[in-house]
Amino acid sequence: SYELTQPPSVSVSPGQTAIITCSGYKLGDKYAWWYRQNPGQAPVLVMSQDSKRPSGTPERFSGSNSGNIATLTIRRTQAMDEADYYCQTWDGSERDVVFGGGTKLTVL
Amino acid sequence: QVQLVQSGAEVTKPGASVKVSCKASGYIFTDYYIHWMRQAPGQGLEWMGRINCNSGDTDYAQKSQGRVTMARDTSSSTAYMELTRLRSDDSAVFYCARGYWESLDDFWGQGTLVTVSS
Repeated sequence: SYELTQPPSVSVSPGQTAIITCSGYKLGDKYAWWYRQNPGQAPVLVMSQDSKRPSGTPERFSGSNSGNIATLTIRRTQAMDEADYYCQTWDGSERDVVFGGGTKLTVL
Repeated sequence: QVQLVQSGAEVTKPGASVKVSCKASGYIFTDYYIHWMRQAPGQGLEWMGRINCNSGDTDYAQKSQGRVTMARDTSSSTAYMELTRLRSDDSAVFYCARGYWESLDDFWGQGTLVTVSS
């Protein structure tokens, strides 16, 4: 089955750039989506089809996907960005939606 | 506005079944899929399967195969997920989300906590 791997945690200082990676075999041949989840709340879509920002996502967020790695980049990181972030794609052979294990973003 | 409202928390025993509902409003129910995910305490998101709300066709994750059944009622714009032969490690928050075959979009239910305990 297809697997997506994320670092368990990423730390960043306020105002700096946070980069969250998601790796999977030939992930760049698929689309990647990203979701943010605050404690006790349902996930929220923050990036669609690699690099499309939903209307509620700040312009500080950007996404890319090439080779085996998709990346969510958060510029000028703020305390409010602290959350768990999950990448997602699909496994065409098994028809499954696949999530990464999640990355906890800490803004120190 | 688009809303997905899930049924309330459940406490049930090992070996029993649980059925969670997800009532949709604010959009054409049959134009989308409903996906179901679960999240065990302190763990990540796990996809359980999807249902095509138009045709009723379903796809289940391999891990869920044999114990999960998804259904929908177009007359009430409600999707259902039933999990049988519950174990204690099935205790989790279950989410429904609107989406397409390959992805979910920006509308999720509020989550339903299912606790399996003897």
